[in-house]
Amino acid sequence: AQRVTQPEKLLSVFKGAPVELKCNYSYSGSPELFWYVQYSRQRLQLLLRHISRESIKGFTADLNKGETSFHLKKPFAQEEDSAMYYCALTSIGPARQLTFGSGTQLTVLP
Amino acid sequence: DAGVIQSPRHEVTEMGQEVTLRCKPISGHDYLFWYRQTMMRGLELLIYFNNNVPIDDSGMPEDRFSAKMPNASFSTLKIQPSEPRDSAVYFCASPQGASRELFFGEGSRLTVL
Repeated sequence: AQRVTQPEKLLSVFKGAPVELKCNYSYSGSPELFWYVQYSRQRLQLLLRHISRESIKGFTADLNKGETSFHLKKPFAQEEDSAMYYCALTSIGPARQLTFGSGTQLTVLP
Repeated sequence: DAGVIQSPRHEVTEMGQEVTLRCKPISGHDYLFWYRQTMMRGLELLIYFNNNVPIDDSGMPEDRFSAKMPNASFSTLKIQPSEPRDSAVYFCASPQGASRELFFGEGSRLTVL
């Protein structure tokens, strides 16, 4: 069965410090992984996906199949990065429904 | 397009009462997902529909939960009778395009006293 694990429920860093939100997964095939973000009082929205290999708002995430990880990183955190972050894995099949981790609440302190 | 629309945004009810949550997906999206969000478990998939047909309801926690999608533009999630442990935020979402990016509604925050 597929599973996504985010070991940290809460994470606080100071502005300008590097931040890393951890995500590990278990999946029998070739996974497709995403990070979704929920800012205060806003909808959950896609931040980035591993197949795009893109950097969004300074965030990057590299898929490490050996370690089954997809950690989200940003070298210099900003206060506006404070939000709930969810790592997600898509299933095989036409629906491609997402399995989410339990989320990490990031707080960037001034 | 206003995106995925959910109602009510907030609902406070007493244990034992029936709760109905509503969702209007983005027009043209063929799948619709219902998720429940709690601090302890994060986002859990409850049920999803394809072209209005329920495909997988294995995430529905109990028989007290039911969901329908009578047409492409409307879905409901019903809890009868409600219990305090049902308190959560319930999200509706639909995917778009080949990327299958999920577009979420703003959620319905349910509090059962």
